Amino acid sequence: DQQVKQNSPSLSVQEGRISILNCDYTNSMFDYFLWYKKYPAEGPTFLISISSIKDKNEDGRFTVFLNKSAKHLSLHIVPSQPGDSAVYFCAASLRLEAGNNRKLIWGLGTSLAVNP
Amino acid sequence: NAGVMQNPRHLVRRRGQEARLRCSPMKGHSHVYWYRQLPEEGLKFMVYLQKENIIDESGMPKERFSAEFPKEGPSILRIQQVVRGDSAAYFCASSPLGLGIYNEQFFGPGTRLTVL
Repeated sequence: DQQVKQNSPSLSVQEGRISILNCDYTNSMFDYFLWYKKYPAEGPTFLISISSIKDKNEDGRFTVFLNKSAKHLSLHIVPSQPGDSAVYFCAASLRLEAGNNRKLIWGLGTSLAVNP
Repeated sequence: NAGVMQNPRHLVRRRGQEARLRCSPMKGHSHVYWYRQLPEEGLKFMVYLQKENIIDESGMPKERFSAEFPKEGPSILRIQQVVRGDSAAYFCASSPLGLGIYNEQFFGPGTRLTVL
């Protein structure tokens, strides 16, 4: 049961245009969402996050939007650059039943190609 | 401040041998997470450990896999009697003690296990 879904395995965008990566989730207990970026042969690196009490968070060219009623979030990259070509993972944070510990549930990723 | 370190970066084993993967978290981090990425798939959570404790092992296969994070030294993911299906990239991530507030995980470069 995939609780975090990235339904587009790949996306191709022209340099300078907007890239929109989507993520849907099913568990209403998720209260924090993160996007990670991964280059081949490297570990994922944190990109941007958003708390469930917000609907938008912006950091430079990257903006994440959260629609709680639709259980949907999206990552916007404007303008897209060739160096943005990577796999983007959406992850949702969940508090474990015991104590204050948490775990992340990950989507399968979307491979973004930004063409010059 | 060194990042998360994993070794070896590449590991080749024959079927039936044991594989030991090591992870040294970032300085000051006491939470370690192991993930597996099979070819053409996303990240799959395996286990979450704090020093000397397993917090969540819901993603660990029931047999042949074990993990530890001793008081001193790196975290170890151990796979006994490896099979070809164990071939994957294994990523380790760490986070500081955040009492459930801190969500970001910092990833190592991964260990690529190949089972012949």
